[in-house]
Amino acid sequence: KAGVTQTPRYLIKTRGQQVTLSCSPISGHRSVSWYQQTPGQGLQFLFEYFSETQRNKGNFPGRFSGRQFSNSRSEMNVSTLELGDSALYLCASSLTEGAGKRKLFFGSGTQLSVL
Amino acid sequence: GDSVTQMEGPVTLSEEAFLTINCTYTATGYPSLFWYVQYPGEGLQLLLKATKADDKGSNKGFEATYRKETTSFHLEKGSVQVSDSAVYFCALTPQSSSNTGKLIFGQGTTLQVKP
Repeated sequence: KAGVTQTPRYLIKTRGQQVTLSCSPISGHRSVSWYQQTPGQGLQFLFEYFSETQRNKGNFPGRFSGRQFSNSRSEMNVSTLELGDSALYLCASSLTEGAGKRKLFFGSGTQLSVL
Repeated sequence: GDSVTQMEGPVTLSEEAFLTINCTYTATGYPSLFWYVQYPGEGLQLLLKATKADDKGSNKGFEATYRKETTSFHLEKGSVQVSDSAVYFCALTPQSSSNTGKLIFGQGTTLQVKP
């Protein structure tokens, strides 16, 4: 069974641009969560989608948004990029809702560099 | 708010040495606790978990016990191998968010095992 697939693997953008990252969950998984990983702030929760609905959101500005499609694939978008948005963006999927008692499967991430 | 604190790294050990990585948490009620591992260039993988007090999670020779009285979830392994070199993250899901994909992570501890 294929794992969580994130595309692209690397991305370079300039300040002010916008970017869209894609995540394909494991087949059959309906929940997708997004995390930002930086050396300074560590891993921070962005948002979670289940059955095309956003179920939870972290403390990020409105420039960060996401969506989930009927096939459970998810995209996240960052508008008006800032230098501080440079990070590894990780997507995780799970079979149903909830990380509390269920296993999250992470992708390898998209490394975004903002110049 | 809820938080996780891990011992700072890097931790450098010789092969077959005993490993302890300390993790303490702040949370109300009974969060679920996790250890995730990140190998170079890869996403996170769930190593073990515990969902209630006094539970012991174990996997691949690693163990951690959910200690409510000391709010701790220390990771241990009796004999480390070079292949255990990675970054280890302690994480929790708040009890109030147990049905979401939201994880709160510690800063991560880098483990280097030398032959």
